[in-house]
Amino acid sequence: QVTLKESGPALVKPTQTLTLTCTFSGFSLSTSGMRVSWIRQPPGKALEWLARIDWDDDKFYSTALSTRLTVSKDTSKNQVVLTMTSMDPVDAATYYCARIRPDCRGGSCYATDFDYWGQGILVTVSS
Amino acid sequence: QTVVTQEPSFSVSPGGTVTLTCGLSSGSVSTTYYPSWYQQTPGQAPRTLIYSTNTRSSGVPDRFSGSILGNKAALTITGAQTDDESDYYCVLYMGSGISVFGGGTKLTVL
Repeated sequence: QVTLKESGPALVKPTQTLTLTCTFSGFSLSTSGMRVSWIRQPPGKALEWLARIDWDDDKFYSTALSTRLTVSKDTSKNQVVLTMTSMDPVDAATYYCARIRPDCRGGSCYATDFDYWGQGILVTVSS
Repeated sequence: QTVVTQEPSFSVSPGGTVTLTCGLSSGSVSTTYYPSWYQQTPGQAPRTLIYSTNTRSSGVPDRFSGSILGNKAALTITGAQTDDESDYYCVLYMGSGISVFGGGTKLTVL
């Protein structure tokens, strides 16, 4: 059974760095083809893809936020960590981590969907 | 930066058919964008309806279907039910590891 759960601060101050942890079970990020993404959703607004980390430690970031984001993994703990620097009130959102459905064939891995999601964590940015 | 476009809102009568679309601010959507569709109800995480253009996720009723229509990805709901009243999001894979969500469509069933 695949589960993911986000943890971290519910409140950060403007200019601070946000660090969120995604702890998952039911799969291993050391397994070929496994990938995890971070996605956020400001209250009442649309979902926004933020970042992705792959089993081979490849990392990808939203073009708009790439300078502020870092994603890393600890396979021994089954965790993925997202840091976002220079937090601003506009960054207030529910932050989700999600697994990408694995689909690797013939040595290539294909884009699929986010098949399992965490419950999300609401982060407020305020002084 | 490429924007993924969706209708902000749509309305359908119970039992009716509705097609939601997912386009690009520049260019056409094709299967190489691996379009996927998600349904989200308030306070819940999204759930996948369709991935890789037209593959229905496990447990999704067959009244939901995905396709490419013209230059856009499309999600068609045939025989809409009141339970289908939700927000619907598409995601396109842009390559180089980057995915982009559309702005979402709020579907009303009445």
